[in-house]
Amino acid sequence: GENVEQHPSTLSVQEGDSAVIKCTYSDSASNYFPWYKQELGKGPQLIIDIRSNVGEKKDQRIAVTLNKTAKHFSLHITETQPEDSAVYFCAASITGGTSYGKLTFGQGTILTVHP
Amino acid sequence: EAGVVQSPRYKIIEKKQPVAFWCNPISGHNTLYWYRQNLGQGPELLIRYENEEAVDDSQLPKDRFSAERLKGVDSTLKIQPAELGDSAVYLCASSPHSSGTGELFFGEGSRLTVL
Repeated sequence: GENVEQHPSTLSVQEGDSAVIKCTYSDSASNYFPWYKQELGKGPQLIIDIRSNVGEKKDQRIAVTLNKTAKHFSLHITETQPEDSAVYFCAASITGGTSYGKLTFGQGTILTVHP
Repeated sequence: EAGVVQSPRYKIIEKKQPVAFWCNPISGHNTLYWYRQNLGQGPELLIRYENEEAVDDSQLPKDRFSAERLKGVDSTLKIQPAELGDSAVYLCASSPHSSGTGELFFGEGSRLTVL
């Protein structure tokens, strides 16, 4: 089955700096890559996603890049703010076929933004 | 619009006792997921429903776990008997998509502690 590795496990930045979280996946058939943000005591919430036919996607301060050849994708947060502090999860899934709909998550990155 | 509702939020039981979790998905969402999240880890899929049909229960420990979604709306996840290793947060999610893409809407989770 799919295996998603995420680094780093913790990331500490100063307010205004950029943060980058990287993930690799094992199944070359995976074609959907979302990123979720989880605040303490809450369920994960989707912040951005990318499909395999796109190399990069941006939404205000958040961007995701995908390299299908290398099987890795990254989350970039610019101009970080204290409210960006949370746990971030990458995930991968296959759309279509017998394995569709199964989202495999990475281990998570605890991001702390210091004022 | 109401989000995914889960109950109870917290449950403490002794090992070998039974426990049940309830989930009410977002209205109109045909796809429902149960995930287990161990401390410091990403969510892991237990079971996925399309309406009332369990389309992926390959990761559900069927010797002690059971789930149902009788009318294709609410769902219940049961553990009997509970073991120490079952301590985790049980997350329910729903989605209007069945293709494996698109946003999953998570509830706040049910935190289980087995003593």
